[in-house]
Amino acid sequence: QQQVRQSPQSLTVWEGETTILNCSYEDSTFDYFPWYRQFPGKSPALLIAISLVSNKKEDGRFTIFFNKREKKLSLHITDSQPGDSATYFCAASPYQGGRALIFGTGTTVSVSP
Amino acid sequence: GGIITQTPKFLIGQEGQKLTLKCQQNFNHDTMYWYRQDSGKGLRLIYYSITENDLQKGDLSEGYDASREKKSSFSLTVTSAQKNEMAVFLCASSIRQEDYAEQFFGPGTRLTVL
Repeated sequence: QQQVRQSPQSLTVWEGETTILNCSYEDSTFDYFPWYRQFPGKSPALLIAISLVSNKKEDGRFTIFFNKREKKLSLHITDSQPGDSATYFCAASPYQGGRALIFGTGTTVSVSP
Repeated sequence: GGIITQTPKFLIGQEGQKLTLKCQQNFNHDTMYWYRQDSGKGLRLIYYSITENDLQKGDLSEGYDASREKKSSFSLTVTSAQKNEMAVFLCASSIRQEDYAEQFFGPGTRLTVL
């Protein structure tokens, strides 16, 4: 079963708008939630991450909001740029077991100028 | 900085063939991972290794073997390639098992089975 769910599967926004990506999980052993970004033809790279001790993590135009009670996260990209067009993966890591990541299926974002 | 090298970049095999993918990293990282990426399905963990000579199975380990020959290298073997199988295999490494260590990914090996 899919342990980390992402929605929507894809979306298109206009340049300057805020992009909102959603992620949810069920496993209570997850305590670390990185978001990876993958440009076409490239490998994933870490964008931003949050742990259970925080409700919000901000890095420039990228912000993670974390609702621990509902086991939901969202990634907000403000002032979206064409260069933000990529696939965004939400991942989760349990506090045991080698810190291997469980990835969601990704959201493909397209930003139109 | 460092780099992860995966060989070959493209791998074409026949059904039933045993195929080996190789990964090398010069980060001096302890932990290495193999993921499979299918179109529209995200990345799924096949095997990981916390340290040299260690092997741990991921959710997708059936049909694969792995070997951590030394700290810098991690190999993955497809034991019997399935016809029409197409996927990208990504190797990753992180500095250590614990804490919130970033995983760095290699460029991938694209597998096609005829």
